[in-house]
Amino acid sequence: SQQGEEDPQALSIQEGENATMNCSYKTSINNLQWYRQNSGRGLVHLILIRSNEREKHSGRLRVTLDTSKKSSSLLITASRAADTASYFCATPDSWGKLQFGAGTQVVVTP
Amino acid sequence: EAGVAQSPRYKIIEKRQSVAFWCNPISGHATLYWYQQILGQGPKLLIQFQNNGVVDDSQLPKDRFSAERLKGVDSTLKIQPAKLEDSAVYLCASSRRTGADTEAFFGQGTRLTVV
Repeated sequence: SQQGEEDPQALSIQEGENATMNCSYKTSINNLQWYRQNSGRGLVHLILIRSNEREKHSGRLRVTLDTSKKSSSLLITASRAADTASYFCATPDSWGKLQFGAGTQVVVTP
Repeated sequence: EAGVAQSPRYKIIEKRQSVAFWCNPISGHATLYWYQQILGQGPKLLIQFQNNGVVDDSQLPKDRFSAERLKGVDSTLKIQPAKLEDSAVYLCASSRRTGADTEAFFGQGTRLTVV
């Protein structure tokens, strides 16, 4: 079974709007990571949030982590067409092996 | 720095044939991973190497899949014989070291179609 599960499975928004997706996981974690995947650039690391952090920002990205609820959210503000992609949360084990969720497919229309 | 290189980008084979994928990790990265990503799913780890040793191959279907990382640099993943359910994108990733707090860098993947 997968460690992380994203919600929603798919999201369609217009340029300029915000996009929010959630991730739930099952076991305790050292950190949680978000990745983006599109056909042009493969799987790209976006942001890592450690278990002792509650919120982290990177450009237009904002990630929150609630370890008591075993959940995380990724917010993309002022979305652009180039943000069209699938977004995955992933949690590493002690060796660095990543367990991915099924992903949220985001479509941003002009 | 150059990213993780994979080849080929695409491969179409008939079931029961053999296929091999190649990966060149980022220079200096000790850890190398092979992931399988079936359409509509997240990537799933097949095997993890630390230098030229195997760290985890528990999810590798060893009756048909094999992987090696000779000299601790390049790696090849082989499927023999292929089944229809092996159709997927095979992603190679590398990181500087093993551990939970290291970032993995992914190649663009090899899309395999088994017909």
